[in-house]
Amino acid sequence: QVQLVESGGGVVQPGGSLRLSCAASGFTFSSYGVHWVRQAPGKGLEWVAFIRFDGTYKNYADSVKGRFTISRDNSKNTLYLQMNSLRAEDTSLYYCAKDRVAVAGALYQFDFWGQVSLVTVSS
Amino acid sequence: DIQMTQSPSSLSASVGDRVTITCRASQSISSYLNWYQQKPGTAPKLLIYAASSLQSGVPSRFSGSGSGTDFTLTINNLQPEDFATYYCQQSYSAPPTFGGGTKVEIK
Repeated sequence: QVQLVESGGGVVQPGGSLRLSCAASGFTFSSYGVHWVRQAPGKGLEWVAFIRFDGTYKNYADSVKGRFTISRDNSKNTLYLQMNSLRAEDTSLYYCAKDRVAVAGALYQFDFWGQVSLVTVSS
Repeated sequence: DIQMTQSPSSLSASVGDRVTITCRASQSISSYLNWYQQKPGTAPKLLIYAASSLQSGVPSRFSGSGSGTDFTLTINNLQPEDFATYYCQQSYSAPPTFGGGTKVEIK
């Protein structure tokens, strides 16, 4: 069965950095585009970033562009989100999610989600 | 960015009711509309993709319709496990954007 297991969340001071990981299993990770989506406590969902199946294309929400970097290691079946220059407004639950179908671009249909990582930015 | 507006933001219903949630896009998105269900403390679950296609494993009491700018999620014969928050999301263009959510509560 498909599993996405996240790690790396925690508490960090404003301006600090954190790296989230998402270990995938149960599907051919190297064939699928994957995303990060976040949700501020008690709020709605916000897409954060996408990376193509082979890592050659990435795109980001304007709110994180230039501060966050999405990457993947297909040999380890793992997705990453490097978060730098963190702000209080980045405090959220962060989910990794896979595209529903293995396509060359981004489908933006999230059929499986990780179990979430909580990132708290506070002094 | 395409804005997604859901209504109502919350509703109360009873087991066995038929529930309808609407979602409006700020511009035409053809049929690039997806619906998710989220229960407290859990990740969202994909229910409907491409406006009307039922995701594998989702009960047939869930259905979606619409195209262009106006979409509907219908839940027939509401079950206890359906009390949750529902989100629409457009996959027409980047960045993908979500509606604000509709919380379905027990009457």
